Amino acid sequence: GDSVTQMEGPVTLSEEAFLTINCTYTATGYPSLFWYVQYPGEGLQLLLKATKADDKGSNKGFEATYRKETTSFHLEKGSVQVSDSAVYFCALFLFKTIFGAGTRLFVKA
Amino acid sequence: DTGVSQNPRHKITKRGQNVTFRCDPISEHNRLYWYRQTLGQGPEFLTYFQNEAQLEKSRLLSDRFSAERPKGSFSTLEIQRTEQGDSAMYLCASSPGTDSYNSPLHFGNGTRLTVT
Repeated sequence: GDSVTQMEGPVTLSEEAFLTINCTYTATGYPSLFWYVQYPGEGLQLLLKATKADDKGSNKGFEATYRKETTSFHLEKGSVQVSDSAVYFCALFLFKTIFGAGTRLFVKA
Repeated sequence: DTGVSQNPRHKITKRGQNVTFRCDPISEHNRLYWYRQTLGQGPEFLTYFQNEAQLEKSRLLSDRFSAERPKGSFSTLEIQRTEQGDSAMYLCASSPGTDSYNSPLHFGNGTRLTVT
């Protein structure tokens, strides 16, 4: 079946460090790909999306590129802030949304 | 846009009791989803509706779980004869559904169920 695999956390970084959270997927068709974020005490919300191969989604300094050849959608940010501390979920949509297990990010001042 | 609303926020029940949760989606959204999330895991798909029609139900969902969306607006999720393994956060999400590939989910804050 369709599935999403993302790197295990927690990931702990110092402020202004570079962030990469790996995500790969398996799908029977051609999915849309998403990153959702859950800040402490808040509900899940969309961070960015990409709907076709080579599309780059971006928001709040985060970026991810839809790589069909490697079935990947890695999340990157050049300089993280303490306020980026949250749990990040990679997800695919193909008739319904399937989520990865989530990666918790801690950013230290 | 008042967002997706879920009630109650917390529910504590004894094993064997029935519980019902309610979800009010964003008013113009015609797709509604139920997910379950346990600690350290991502949301797990349970079922979804397009308007009042239930289009898919997870194979992992036992017969003790039932969901309805009678008028294509709010939805209820009922769990009969609860078990301790049902303890989780139950999330509701909605989306416009008109252009599915570009429609992200809008989540409620969830109902946390504890079965003692």
